[in-house]
Amino acid sequence: GAGVSQSPRYKVTKRGQDVTLRCDPISSHATLYWYQQALGQGPEFLTYFNYEAQPDKSGLPSDRFSAERPEGSISTLTIQRTEQRDSAMYRCASSTSGTQETQYFGPGTRLLVL
Amino acid sequence: EDKVVQSPLSLVVHEGDTVTLNCSYEVTNFRSLLWYKQEKKAPTFLFMLTSSGIEKKSGRLSSILDKKELFSILNITATQTGDSAIYLCAANYGGSQGNLIFGKGTKLSVKP
Repeated sequence: GAGVSQSPRYKVTKRGQDVTLRCDPISSHATLYWYQQALGQGPEFLTYFNYEAQPDKSGLPSDRFSAERPEGSISTLTIQRTEQRDSAMYRCASSTSGTQETQYFGPGTRLLVL
Repeated sequence: EDKVVQSPLSLVVHEGDTVTLNCSYEVTNFRSLLWYKQEKKAPTFLFMLTSSGIEKKSGRLSSILDKKELFSILNITATQTGDSAIYLCAANYGGSQGNLIFGKGTKLSVKP
């Protein structure tokens, strides 16, 4: 597509529920990133993919967080048993290749856990 | 062409020294300047700077942005061996969503 898209744009859920966020990167981009961004803070790396490979997932804050990119294009980020502290903006970005190329961000998903 | 340039590319100091890392940027529609510390795993967010001349501080680390001269510095005082890492600077720029362009990083080695 022309840009990175994410869905849903907003998600309100109750504590303990599972949520899945979707990212559709720019079609030619090999590398896809997930970030968590708290209000007033910069985006913090969660994990990234090179095609379907996931070289680094150490930024995921707990084992309740997981991400997939099974076909090397669309990616999902799943948070199981959500907690209030998971409330944040979740941003996806993509780049042509490599973790220091320019990253193009999607609009983000604002998650609120009640 | 949008770019972020960091200097020096590498630096070796001894424990207790103070270091200053530099980051200059040329981007369209600048939004903010970000500093990250990268060790073996994922980069760790340090600071986000949006306003000129306002120092942000966290322990021995501090950073400031100059939007007129288009640069930022990251200071580390009383360095420790645990400060050894690659320090990445990134400019968030562009339209409503913003994009992130990284510098190549400064590799800091702190010797005991």
